[in-house]
Formats: sequence, C-alpha cells, structure tokens
Amino acid sequence: AQTVTQSQPEMSVQEAETVTLSCTYDTSENNYYLFWYKQPPSRQMILVIRQEAYKQQNATENRFSVNFQKAAKSFSLKISDSQLGDTAMYFCAFMPLGSARQLTFGSGTQLTVLP
Amino acid sequence: GAVVSQHPSRVICKSGTSVKIECRSLDFQATTMFWYRQFPKQSLMLMATSNEGSKATYEQGVEKDKFLINHASLTLSTLTVTSAHPEDSSFYICSAPPTGPDHEQYFGPGTRLTVT
Repeated sequence: AQTVTQSQPEMSVQEAETVTLSCTYDTSENNYYLFWYKQPPSRQMILVIRQEAYKQQNATENRFSVNFQKAAKSFSLKISDSQLGDTAMYFCAFMPLGSARQLTFGSGTQLTVLP
Repeated sequence: GAVVSQHPSRVICKSGTSVKIECRSLDFQATTMFWYRQFPKQSLMLMATSNEGSKATYEQGVEKDKFLINHASLTLSTLTVTSAHPEDSSFYICSAPPTGPDHEQYFGPGTRLTVT
C-alpha cells in the first residue's frame, strides 16, 4: 500500500513571492505517477502538474515546478510569482503505473496568498 | 481537457430516504470511475471503484449495501446513498480516467449532500 504525507496543513505567502509545498510518499513500486492537484473554494479538483517517476527531469508548468527526488521519495511543489488566485487547498497524489488508476491523496496543504 | 459532470450539485434529503448522484463523462468513455467522499478541510477518501459491466470494488470500511454503485454505461456511473443518515452528510466527488494510455484523471465538480 502507498502512503502520501503532507506535513504542512497551512501555509501563507505574499503575492508575487515564491512558496514551496512539501510532499513525501512511501511505496515499493518502481514505476508510478505523482500529481499535485489544486482545490479552490469552488471545490473543483484541478490538475496542477504531474511527474512520471521514470523521468529524471523535473516537470514544470508555467509558474509551477516540482522537485522530484525519487530516492528520497520526495515531491515538492514550487509556486513562483504567487497570485491571489493560487489560494486553494493543494493535494499531492500518487498513482502506480499499470494500476486501475487509483489515486492516493495526501492530507492537503491550505495555501493562502496574501495581498 | 475532458469534462466530467455530476448531478445534482447540492441535495438535501430527510433521514431514512435514499438519494442518487450521477457522474457522467461528457466527451470520453470511461470503463472505470472512482467515488470519493470529502469531509470539510479533509482530503479525498476513496470509497469505491465503479467498473462498467461488473460489480464495484469497495474500500475497506465502506458499506456496499448502503452506498450502491451502478456503472450503467461507458459514460455514466451512479452512487445511491440508501437510508441516509445525518452522518452521511458530506461532499461526494467522482473522477474518471479516459480509456487508453493517458493517465490523466478528470474530476466532477462534486455533490454536497445534507441529510436532515
């Protein structure tokens, strides 16, 4: 079984600054996907970024990037130039490759961007 | 990206009644759909995996007779909460991965169930 741990229940950042959200996971799988999802107050789950474990290069999507450390089982999310619209709950998630595509979620980090 | 809809978005029902929630993939087919429950300020907890043409797979601790799942077609899964009680009040979310090699999952907007 997989576990995903997010040790920061709440974080805040000033608008335009950079913030990093932490995520660690535990698995015996070698091939898998990792995701960061955003859940704004509307509660719609939105994919922010994903990383294939077999790729060494860290994924980036505009202002969002990850620091994927496979050996350490660490998958942090960096948000640059934070915007007010980034205020949301952020969930780290794990999915084994070749599975029925079940996602295991972390407990979430509530990020507040301050004006 | 692909769209998943849920209906209704909000429902209030009386204790002891049943309520059905629909999850539809609007522009893709999904042989599998997932149902989650989310309590306020908590994470998504997987309840069950809905499989088109076969029985759903329930997570440990989830009562299959209380939460009935039917995957009637490649675009529709339904969750029926039977004999609802106030403790069943929660936010229910479905997700669906398109059939194929893509490992993306698309989430519905959720259904807020309140049992009075």
